[in-house]
Amino acid sequence: SQQGEEDPQALSIQEGENATMNCSYKTSINNLQWYRQNSGRGLVHLILIRSNEREKHSGRLRVTLDTSKKSSSLLITASRAADTASYFCATGETSGSRLTFGEGTQLTVNP
Amino acid sequence: EAGVAQSPRYKIIEKRQSVAFWCNPISGHATLYWYQQILGQGPKLLIQFQNNGVVDDSQLPKDRFSAERLKGVDSTLKIQPAKLEDSAVYLCASSSFRTQETQYFGPGTRLLVL
Repeated sequence: SQQGEEDPQALSIQEGENATMNCSYKTSINNLQWYRQNSGRGLVHLILIRSNEREKHSGRLRVTLDTSKKSSSLLITASRAADTASYFCATGETSGSRLTFGEGTQLTVNP
Repeated sequence: EAGVAQSPRYKIIEKRQSVAFWCNPISGHATLYWYQQILGQGPKLLIQFQNNGVVDDSQLPKDRFSAERLKGVDSTLKIQPAKLEDSAVYLCASSSFRTQETQYFGPGTRLLVL
């Protein structure tokens, strides 16, 4: 079963704007990850945040995790047309265990 | 380093036929995963191998799906017989013991069952 629910399902913004995607989950987790999938391609790992962390940065990406609310958000700053893709959150209940993916957010960045 | 390789990239079959997919993980990665991704949904794990042993196959429809990983390297996933609802992208991923939370995905095999 899908653990994560992502919000919004689709997001359309202009180049240069920030994009925020949210993910909620149901069970206790060891880590939460975000992946990107371009149309017709495999998934690419973006960033991992562990359950004892609250915020993490990687380039233009900022991820937050609130374990009390069982939610996470992914912020992409200064978006580019090349950021157009589907973004998935995935939770790992233990280290090395399966990942349970959400339904994804389709991001469109208009030039 | 080379990424995860999968073949074929596309496959069209009729229902009740059989089909097999192949995956070659990143060299040295002990853990291999097969996911099914139905259009518009996130990937769902079918089976996880650690070396050549099965760690998790709880979501694998064992009446028609089978997978093996001989010698702990390459893996094949088979569907026999296929149903219409098996139309999906089948993704293979691998991870290393050192960074086991991060999974590296192949391009996937897009299956259409008619």
